[in-house]
Amino acid sequence: GENVEQHPSTLSVQEGDSAVIKCTYSDSASNYFPWYKQELGKGPQLIIDIRSNVGEKKDQRIAVTLNKTAKHFSLHITETQPEDSAVYFCAASPGDNYGQNFVFGPGTRLSVLP
Amino acid sequence: NAGVTQTPKFQVLKTGQSMTLQCAQDMNHNSMYWYRQDPGMGLRLIYYSASEGTTDKGEVPNGYNVSRLNKREFSLRLESAAPSQTSVYFCATVPTGDTQYFGPGTRLTVL
Repeated sequence: GENVEQHPSTLSVQEGDSAVIKCTYSDSASNYFPWYKQELGKGPQLIIDIRSNVGEKKDQRIAVTLNKTAKHFSLHITETQPEDSAVYFCAASPGDNYGQNFVFGPGTRLSVLP
Repeated sequence: NAGVTQTPKFQVLKTGQSMTLQCAQDMNHNSMYWYRQDPGMGLRLIYYSASEGTTDKGEVPNGYNVSRLNKREFSLRLESAAPSQTSVYFCATVPTGDTQYFGPGTRLTVL
């Protein structure tokens, strides 16, 4: 089955710097890759996603890149702000509209220092 | 429009006690899911319901049961709680696409 690894497990950056979180997956059948942000005491919220027919997607300060050959995808946050501090999760799925096939990474705790 | 709601927010149980975690959604989604979240392990699927009247096991179903009461509600029951079930539990729903919508979670401690 699918296995998703995520690095680093913790990341501290200065406000205004960029942050990069990387995930690798094992199943070449995966073709949907969402990223979730989880703030303290709350449930995960989707912040950006990418499908395998696209190499990069951007939404304001957030971008995701996908390398299907190497089986890895990354979250890039530019001009970080204190409110970006949270736990970020990646996931991989066959994109078959069946949520039970989602596999989540273990998470990265991002701290943005003022 | 509350999205996905979960009750209770916090619960402390003694080993062997039983309890039911409640989840309700007002988004008219067919699929509902129960996950547990443990430090360093991400989200693991316990049970899911692809539609009203159906339920299936996920990755870690042992020690749990579920009921899909109607399209809105999906409950998770611990019949005899164990310390290994100390975790944060999340309910999620999925519309026809892939995006998952999560509830705020229930933090459970089993002593």
